[in-house]
Amino acid sequence: DAKTTQPPSMDCAEGRAANLPCNHSTISGNEYVYWYRQIHSQGPQYIIHGLKNNETNEMASLIITEDRKSSTLILPHATLRDTAVYYCIVRVGLGNFGNEKLTFGTGTRLTIIP
Amino acid sequence: DSGVTQTPKHLITATGQRVTLRCSPRSGDLSVYWYQQSLDQGLQFLIQYYNGEERAKGNILERFSAQQFPDLHSELNLSSLELGDSALYFCASSRQGLGTEAFFGQGTRLTVV
Repeated sequence: DAKTTQPPSMDCAEGRAANLPCNHSTISGNEYVYWYRQIHSQGPQYIIHGLKNNETNEMASLIITEDRKSSTLILPHATLRDTAVYYCIVRVGLGNFGNEKLTFGTGTRLTIIP
Repeated sequence: DSGVTQTPKHLITATGQRVTLRCSPRSGDLSVYWYQQSLDQGLQFLIQYYNGEERAKGNILERFSAQQFPDLHSELNLSSLELGDSALYFCASSRQGLGTEAFFGQGTRLTVV
């Protein structure tokens, strides 16, 4: 079962930073926070993941609170192509038998407004 | 391009028939996961294979089965198809190790008529 809570929908103006929150108050010490997005029936696309430090890649930044109970995905300069459903998932990863799958919740439907 | 290949992209078949969906994982990935996404529904985990062996099972119907072959590609077999089986079927693959990413294919859209 999904162990994260996300707002069902958000809007963001094109060119602005999109900040997507996620609560994962029951996260375990060895669980990572993953973000994926799905653009209109395409395969889910990996965005970023982290354990406790903030992470940044070419797509986004991930800010994880010190107590690890929540995180924020930041798309620095949102474009229309960023309109998608964004999923926040906690997962240990391959190697921890029984906790390897990605469990998708309902995610946040992000709409970028021109 | 995620490196995960799924075939066919589209499949239309009649009720009662049997189909096979194929997934080729990224090079070096030992684990394959199958997901089902019905119209306007979330992604439901079906089953996971790791290096040829079943690793975890989700809400997979008894009419459905899967396997992973020695070359690590995987097949999902759907039999006695019903209208309600119409959905997108996604495959993902992942490497060994904690905190590794899983990458998804572009899916197979199955339509049962």
